[in-house]
Amino acid sequence: AQSVTQLGSHVSVSEGALVLLRCNYSSSVPPYLFWYVQYPNQGLQLLLKYTTGATLVKGINGFEAEFKKSETSFHLTKPSAHMSDAAEYFCAVSDLGANSKLTFGKGITLSVRP
Amino acid sequence: DSGVTQTPKHLITATGQRVTLRCSPRSGDLSVYWYQQSLDQGLQFLIQYYNGEERAKGNILERFSAQQFPDLHSELNLSSLELGDSALYFCASSVGGTAGIYEQYFGPGTRLTVT
Repeated sequence: AQSVTQLGSHVSVSEGALVLLRCNYSSSVPPYLFWYVQYPNQGLQLLLKYTTGATLVKGINGFEAEFKKSETSFHLTKPSAHMSDAAEYFCAVSDLGANSKLTFGKGITLSVRP
Repeated sequence: DSGVTQTPKHLITATGQRVTLRCSPRSGDLSVYWYQQSLDQGLQFLIQYYNGEERAKGNILERFSAQQFPDLHSELNLSSLELGDSALYFCASSVGGTAGIYEQYFGPGTRLTVT
């Protein structure tokens, strides 16, 4: 069974500061990993995904994430936070089996202080 | 705008009632996924349909059912509603049938309140 752990439910940073949102996964097969963002009163939007190949993945809005197999992690980072980054962020894992599905973490709310 | 539409946006109903949530996928997408988002359970996958056929099943209660019609729109039926069914229900769509490969595009959700 797959699972995702996102430690903490809320992260607060100052505008211009580094954003680091942590995600650890558990999977019995090589995982596909995703980060989604949810702005208030909206559906989820894909930020980036890791399938195979390069372990550093670049996404939209300046975000990137690095797949570290030895640490079973897929942390999301952005060098400089912007006020518009305030949202909820979800890490998700999937396999490629016949009944593959996305398993989401609990989500982390990011606040950005002026 | 993801191109996925969901109706209604809000729904308030009483315990024991039955409701139907509707989803229209993006043009060209064959897969439809249903998710439930609540404060205590987080975001949970319920069920997936691909080109009219059930493809994958998650934590969907027996009181819940879904179907995908020939025009590819989907409906999620919730019956014998309980207070705990109050949640945000999302529909997502993708071109292909394998969840991990194809990007899922999410609709804005239907907020269900059971009183």
